[in-house]
Amino acid sequence: EIVLTQSPGTLSFSPGEGATLSCRASEDIGSVSLAWYQQKPGQAPRLVIYDVSNRATGIPDRFSGTGSGTAFTLTISRLEPEDFAVYYCQYYGNSFRTFGQGTKVEVK
Amino acid sequence: EVQLLQSGPEAKMPGESLRISCKTSGFSFSIYWLAWVRQRPGKGLEWMGIIFPGDSDTRYSPSFEGQVTMSVDKSISTAYLQWDSLKASDTAMYYCAKVRRAGRHDAFEFWGHGTMVTVSS
Repeated sequence: EIVLTQSPGTLSFSPGEGATLSCRASEDIGSVSLAWYQQKPGQAPRLVIYDVSNRATGIPDRFSGTGSGTAFTLTISRLEPEDFAVYYCQYYGNSFRTFGQGTKVEVK
Repeated sequence: EVQLLQSGPEAKMPGESLRISCKTSGFSFSIYWLAWVRQRPGKGLEWMGIIFPGDSDTRYSPSFEGQVTMSVDKSISTAYLQWDSLKASDTAMYYCAKVRRAGRHDAFEFWGHGTMVTVSS
């Protein structure tokens, strides 16, 4: 069973700063089947990045994803007030899925 | 427009049964995998399982195998999540989600608003 580890659990930034979130897989998961989701309090998750590096519909270009193998990152180039949220990575390379435990991006 | 409309909040006692629903519209129901995701209060997302409405092929997370049952009714484009005997630990928000591409194991592009299930004596 593949385990995704997101660390640290919380990151603190000021608006306008850049943020880099990490997601590490317990084994090589290739270079395609990884997504990132954003969740704000009281809301359902929202797809941000799919297939490692593709932005979902309506996601601004300040969001980008990279990685392969066991190490993946989500980068937010300049944090806007609406970007402060919890972000989850997810592997979907086979019929079994798994989420990371999430990283909260909070206002410093 | 793709919509996933989930049934309303539920308050149940331990040992009771429950079925919650996810009524979909705006896409071809039979050809997209649909998933269920649990989120306990203040906690992260947990993938419960996924079902292909076309043939009801279902894959459960090992953590949820035998604990819940997923099903669909193609005639009304609706997916269901069912418990035979609820526990207090089932208290959570439950989301249904639709994958991005037809017939593919893919990211979850559309999500329902969630159904809150509270189990308490």
